[in-house]
Amino acid sequence: GENVEQHPSTLSVQEGDSAVIKCTYSDSASNYFPWYKQELGKGPQLIIDIRSNVGEKKDQRIAVTLNKTAKHFSLHITETQPEDSAVYFCAADTGRRALTFGSGTRLQVQP
Amino acid sequence: GAGVSQSPRYKVAKRGQDVALRCDPISGHVSLFWYQQALGQGPEFLTYFQNEAQLDKSGLPSDRFFAERPEGSVSTLKIQRTQQEDSAVYLCASSRRQGKDTQYFGPGTRLTVL
Repeated sequence: GENVEQHPSTLSVQEGDSAVIKCTYSDSASNYFPWYKQELGKGPQLIIDIRSNVGEKKDQRIAVTLNKTAKHFSLHITETQPEDSAVYFCAADTGRRALTFGSGTRLQVQP
Repeated sequence: GAGVSQSPRYKVAKRGQDVALRCDPISGHVSLFWYQQALGQGPEFLTYFQNEAQLDKSGLPSDRFFAERPEGSVSTLKIQRTQQEDSAVYLCASSRRQGKDTQYFGPGTRLTVL
């Protein structure tokens, strides 16, 4: 089955700096890659997603890049703000429609 | 409209008790998923429904776990004879279509088995 590796597990940046989180996946048939933000005591919230027919997608301060050949995708957050502090999960679809998640990155934005 | 809701938000059970966790998906959403999230980990798939049909239950860890969605809307995840290793957050997600589509998550039910 699909395996998703995510790193780093923790990331601390200064307010205004950029943050990058990277994921790799194993199943070359995967073609949908969402990113979720999870705050304490809440469910995961979709922040951006990308499908395999696109190499990059941007939404304001958030961008995701996908390299299908290398089977990796990355989340980029620019001009980070304290409210960006949370746990971020990457995920990849599987043939059965469920998502396989990475182990998460705890992002801390220092004011 | 309202998002995915789950109840109860917190459940404490003694080992050996049965529990039932409820999920109300977004109205009209065809697909419904249950995930289990252990502390400090990403969610792990348990089971998937398309309308009332349970199409995939390959992630259920044992036959103590049972899920249903009899009318294609509300779903219940039941755990019989709970064990300490069942302690986790149980997340429900729904998506509008039956294909690969955005999954919207509920807030989860935190189950603690003593």
